[in-house]
Amino acid sequence: EDQVTQSPEALRLQEGESSSLNCSYTVSGLRGLFWYRQDPGKGPEFLFTLYSAGEEKEKERLKATLTKKESFLHITAPKPEDSATYLCAVQATVNDYKLSFGAGTTVTVRA
Amino acid sequence: KAGVTQTPRYLIKTRGQQVTLSCSPISGHRSVSWYQQTPGQGLQFLFEYFSETQRNKGNFPGRFSGRQFSNSRSEMNVSTLELGDSALYLCASSLGYRVSGNTIYFGEGSWLTVV
Repeated sequence: EDQVTQSPEALRLQEGESSSLNCSYTVSGLRGLFWYRQDPGKGPEFLFTLYSAGEEKEKERLKATLTKKESFLHITAPKPEDSATYLCAVQATVNDYKLSFGAGTTVTVRA
Repeated sequence: KAGVTQTPRYLIKTRGQQVTLSCSPISGHRSVSWYQQTPGQGLQFLFEYFSETQRNKGNFPGRFSGRQFSNSRSEMNVSTLELGDSALYLCASSLGYRVSGNTIYFGEGSWLTVV
């Protein structure tokens, strides 16, 4: 059974205070690790997909990295509009490519 | 380009009733998946459809079913509703099935409340 664990559960930041979110996974046949952002009452918004260890992707203040056992989502100089729940999901051949999600990290950025 | 469209957005049903939720994927996308999101369990996979065939199924009772039409639109049905079925039901679409590199996009979801 895939295990996807996200930490911390919640993160409170001051505007401009950079930080990192962690997603650790145990899966066979990883085909992709996905990061999504979810605002209250809305569906998950796609951010990144990472496929192999060492890969990095960036979008505005967000940067995602991947190792063989975990992924990090770095938030640089966050703004209040970055407040959301960030979800990590893995896709693997052993589970027919369905997404297995972590519980998410809720980020609150104070002005 | 239109995103994944789900209807209805909100609905309230009574225990024992049944409900049908609809999903229109992004144009050109042929794979549709359904997920249930609750505060306690998070996002859990329900099933996936591709070319009108169910390809994968999660650990949910038989009361949960779905189908896909030739235009890739999909519906899911929950019969004999229970209070525990109250959740956000999310539809996701992607280009193909079992293809690495597919970006998976989600709709805004259908909020179901069972009373």
